[in-house]
Amino acid sequence: KQEVTQIPAALSVPEGENLVLNCSFTDSAIYNLQWFRQDPGKGLTSLLLIQSSQREQTSGRLNASLDKSSGRSTLYIAASQPGDSATYLCAVQDAGNMLTFGGGTRLMVKP
Amino acid sequence: DTEVTQTPKHLVMGMTNKKSLKCEQHMGHRAMYWYKQKAKKPPELMFVYSYEKLSINESVPSRFSPECPNSSLLNLHLHALQPEDSALYLCASSQAGAGGYNEQFFGPGTRLTVL
Repeated sequence: KQEVTQIPAALSVPEGENLVLNCSFTDSAIYNLQWFRQDPGKGLTSLLLIQSSQREQTSGRLNASLDKSSGRSTLYIAASQPGDSATYLCAVQDAGNMLTFGGGTRLMVKP
Repeated sequence: DTEVTQTPKHLVMGMTNKKSLKCEQHMGHRAMYWYKQKAKKPPELMFVYSYEKLSINESVPSRFSPECPNSSLLNLHLHALQPEDSALYLCASSQAGAGGYNEQFFGPGTRLTVL
């Protein structure tokens, strides 16, 4: 059974710092990996999707990498802002289109 | 249109009530999903519909009854719920079919409180 772990569970940083969120998964037979953002009490907003054949994806200040063989992904956020404060979830997708989520990283960016 | 909509945004119900949650998408997706999310936990899959047929039921209690009346709509009928069913209920949609490359798009959720 696929297990997805995110480290750290919570992170508090001052504004302007570059930061890295980590995601690991136990079964490397994935088809894609998605990073989501979730604000309190809200739905999930897709940030980046990396297909299993890709190594990284970029969108603005966000860069996500994928090392499928080692079962790891990182989300890099450059020049963090208070508006980046949210919970970040990674999820891996299997052949049946099912998503397995990690526990999330709760990020607080202080002004 | 890349939006998944859910109604209502908030719902408070008693344990003897019957209510329904609704989800709608107009992206031409033929797979739709219901997830349940408790506070500070990741979403948990409840049901999957593929081409309007129930394809996955993750051992969800019968007090939750899904329905997919057409390719754009997904309902979740609620009856005789328990306080522990209080949670954020999320709907998602994606292209259907095999391959695992089908990105899921999520709605804003319905916050359910069972008294």
